[in-house]
Amino acid sequence: QVQLQESGPGLVKPSQTLSLTCTVSGGSISSGDYYWSWIRQPPGKGLEWIGYIYYSGSTYYNPSLESRVTLSVDTSMNHFSLKLTSVTAADTAVYYCARAFNWGWPIDYWGQGTLVTVSS
Amino acid sequence: QSVLTQPPSVSAAPGQKVTISCSGTSSNVGNSYVSWYQQLPGTAPKLLIYDNNRRPSGIPDRFSGSKSGTSATLGITGLQTGDEADYFCGAWDSSLSVGVFGTGTKVTVL
Repeated sequence: QVQLQESGPGLVKPSQTLSLTCTVSGGSISSGDYYWSWIRQPPGKGLEWIGYIYYSGSTYYNPSLESRVTLSVDTSMNHFSLKLTSVTAADTAVYYCARAFNWGWPIDYWGQGTLVTVSS
Repeated sequence: QSVLTQPPSVSAAPGQKVTISCSGTSSNVGNSYVSWYQQLPGTAPKLLIYDNNRRPSGIPDRFSGSKSGTSATLGITGLQTGDEADYFCGAWDSSLSVGVFGTGTKVTVL
């Protein structure tokens, strides 16, 4: 069974770049059948879909975040990453990595999530 | 940020049935397959239902899904204490061109 695990700093300063990595085990990112996604949930608020990346490197982003988001994939390490630039307190959230099928939706496996706080 | 509306909580006694609604619009629920997820405390969300009513391998048939128009419903029969969790729906929104999720419902087993 596939498992996903987020990792990265839990605290980021305002205006800096948030960087997270999702390591996939129990399956290959290069399988070609899946799209590797990020979702976030600010404290007390709903889930927000950030975007996905295919193993080839092609991406699709939430238009509301597109100008600040970059997803990348490293098939040799079997992980994929999220970078979010110019963060503010509004970017404080639990960030989930996930796997999607059927051309990017729906999501079938999620990581446990990691809390990232934006604060000086 | 949650585009799909769910009741905040539902409850029932062990062995009983609960249903959870997920209300959207013609851009999402009305025009997309709906999926349902279970999130036990401190764990990753788990896919229960996809394509409105299909269960992944390993999901018991106590869990069922349906959709009518711009609303979808998750049903849980034979309620167990282990079913106490948060449940949320998801759909693709063709107008926003993003995946959208429900507000989440907490199921309590009395």
